Amino acid sequence: EPEVTQTPSHQVTQMGQEVILRCVPISNHLYFYWYRQILGQKVEFLVSFYNNEISEKSEIFDDQFSVERPDGSNFTLKIRSTKLEDSAMYFCASSSSTGQSTDTQYFGPGTRLTVL
Amino acid sequence: AQSVTQLDSHVSVSEGTPVLLRCNYSSSYSPSLFWYVQHPNKGLQLLLKYTSAATLVKGINGFEAEFKKSETSFHLTKPSAHMSDAAEYFCVVSDLRGGGNKLTFGTGTQLKVEL
Repeated sequence: EPEVTQTPSHQVTQMGQEVILRCVPISNHLYFYWYRQILGQKVEFLVSFYNNEISEKSEIFDDQFSVERPDGSNFTLKIRSTKLEDSAMYFCASSSSTGQSTDTQYFGPGTRLTVL
Repeated sequence: AQSVTQLDSHVSVSEGTPVLLRCNYSSSYSPSLFWYVQHPNKGLQLLLKYTSAATLVKGINGFEAEFKKSETSFHLTKPSAHMSDAAEYFCVVSDLRGGGNKLTFGTGTQLKVEL
């Protein structure tokens, strides 16, 4: 069964450093998402991406964040200058081409980002 | 804005007894609702989803949920708990406004299954 993959599984970085979290969505999916879950808190939407542009972003997704689909398979989340409060589990998700609210979003296993 | 409320942060049951995880939603129009499960150190896995077809939805591993519009509820049930069901469960609503199909998660219910 096809699945979403994410690398690395755990990333440790120093405050102020740039990090890139990588995701490989399911191959025939066209809608891509990033969510994050701070320890002990709920999963929060960050951004959705379709047709090489952002469809929607939350207030969390400020200028420090960016997303990119650099080639036909990868989908990345970049944090330019990490803060302590960026420490969280980051989940990538993808869904099929219909873009309906009934679409199932398939999630990757997550990348745990620790900012020191 | 759409939202979901999971009424219990922790539920503990004995193996072989029924499971009930409660969820209420708030939506200004017909929502799509989902239950996802997260096992320790694993990603989020879809259990089931409601998409305005049948109000009783069957999912994987014997779970089911019933959409009740009059009560704005979407509770998750299973007749007989298994040790492997121990995990965190999230009730989720889908919001298409803004064109992005954003998912809004509840705070989660940690299910503990005891022998």
